[in-house]
Amino acid sequence: DAKTTQPNSMESNEEEPVHLPCNHSTISGTDYIHWYRQLPSQGPEYVIHGLTSNVNNRMASLAIAEDRKSSTLILHRATLRDAAVYYCILRDYNAGNNRKLIWGLGTSLGVNP
Amino acid sequence: DVKVTQSSRYLVKRTGEKVFLECVQDMDHENMFWYRQDPGLGLRLIYFSYDVKMKEKGDIPEGYSVSREKKERFSLILESASTNQTSMYLCASSLSGPIYEQYFGPGTRLTVT
Repeated sequence: DAKTTQPNSMESNEEEPVHLPCNHSTISGTDYIHWYRQLPSQGPEYVIHGLTSNVNNRMASLAIAEDRKSSTLILHRATLRDAAVYYCILRDYNAGNNRKLIWGLGTSLGVNP
Repeated sequence: DVKVTQSSRYLVKRTGEKVFLECVQDMDHENMFWYRQDPGLGLRLIYFSYDVKMKEKGDIPEGYSVSREKKERFSLILESASTNQTSMYLCASSLSGPIYEQYFGPGTRLTVT
């Protein structure tokens, strides 16, 4: 299974943009890139996913490098509620493999008021 | 609003007891998952089910069993609880396919004394 590498922790200031990096140098052509986050005392929640092109939704943007060996989750204006652990996960869409998510330890994001 | 519920937020059991953790989803999802989450180890998959009465072992199935008699309900069973099973247990569900996100419950903090 392809692995991801993320910084252990990052700090940001409220109302400023945040760029959360993820390296996945062994990504295969059939891997989707998924991001989840886990707020304190809650289960993880889905944020965004992509395959090759950059993606936007109401929560965040996902920028994927042209060679797909890295990606960046972008929170456009951090709020205190965005303080969480952010997980970057590769998900193989090959049949029989696509149910499992391989979770790393993620990046703990702190947001300063 | 999609929902995954778990039977208890906090549970304290004694060593050797049989423990049942229940998970219910109301989204008609095919897939259901049980994870445990421990500091420094992240989320680890115990078992998952892709249909009623169908199950597959995850990465750490030892000491656990599961039951899925109805589509909406997935139970995790600790046949004889041990102190090393003290952990946060998270249930999730999803539609089939690699682009579909997993929806998580709030978790059950199990302490085995």
